[in-house]
Amino acid sequence: AQSVSQHNHHVILSEAASLELGCNYSYGGTVNLFWYVQYPGQHLQLLLKYFSGDPLVKGIKGFEAEFIKSKFSFNLRKPSVQWSDTAEYFCAVSGFGNEKLTFGTGTRLTIIP
Amino acid sequence: DGGITQSPKYLFRKEGQNVTLSCEQNLNHDAMYWYRQDPGQGLRLIYYSQIVNDFQKGDIAEGYSVSREKKESFPLTVTSAQKNPTAFYLCASSPPSGLTYNEQFFGPGTRLTVL
Repeated sequence: AQSVSQHNHHVILSEAASLELGCNYSYGGTVNLFWYVQYPGQHLQLLLKYFSGDPLVKGIKGFEAEFIKSKFSFNLRKPSVQWSDTAEYFCAVSGFGNEKLTFGTGTRLTIIP
Repeated sequence: DGGITQSPKYLFRKEGQNVTLSCEQNLNHDAMYWYRQDPGQGLRLIYYSQIVNDFQKGDIAEGYSVSREKKESFPLTVTSAQKNPTAFYLCASSPPSGLTYNEQFFGPGTRLTVL
């Protein structure tokens, strides 16, 4: 069975600080990895995704994530956060050929102006 | 506009009553999903359906039921057997996995409160 761990439950940063949110997964085969974001009062939306190829993937709004297979990790990064990045962030994994997504428990990010 | 609609946005019911949450999509996606979101627990899969007239239980299916009579629609019934039904319910859909590798698209959600 696949599982996802997000160890940071609530992160508080000042504007312009750098961000790294941790995501570790457990799955024995080829994986597809996702970060979703839920802004206050808005739909859950895709931030970025990894299927294959370059392990460093870039998403919307200046976010990027690096897939490190040896560490079973897919951490989310942004060099300089903005107040508008305040949201809840979810990491998700699916096994190759399996349409089910398994989500982590989420990280609430609060940016202080 | 293509997308997923869920209605209503807020729903209140008395304990012991069944309630049905609507989910409609016009994205022509084959697969549809229902999740429950609780604070600190992320999204947990209730049921999913990959084709019309077929569906499978997710991780927390007890106390819920679904139907998939049309490709566009995947209603979720929260029955009186669900012990803790108050939650935020999210519907999602996805095209065939070969096209987008399981990326799912989400609706706006329905917040159910059982009094």
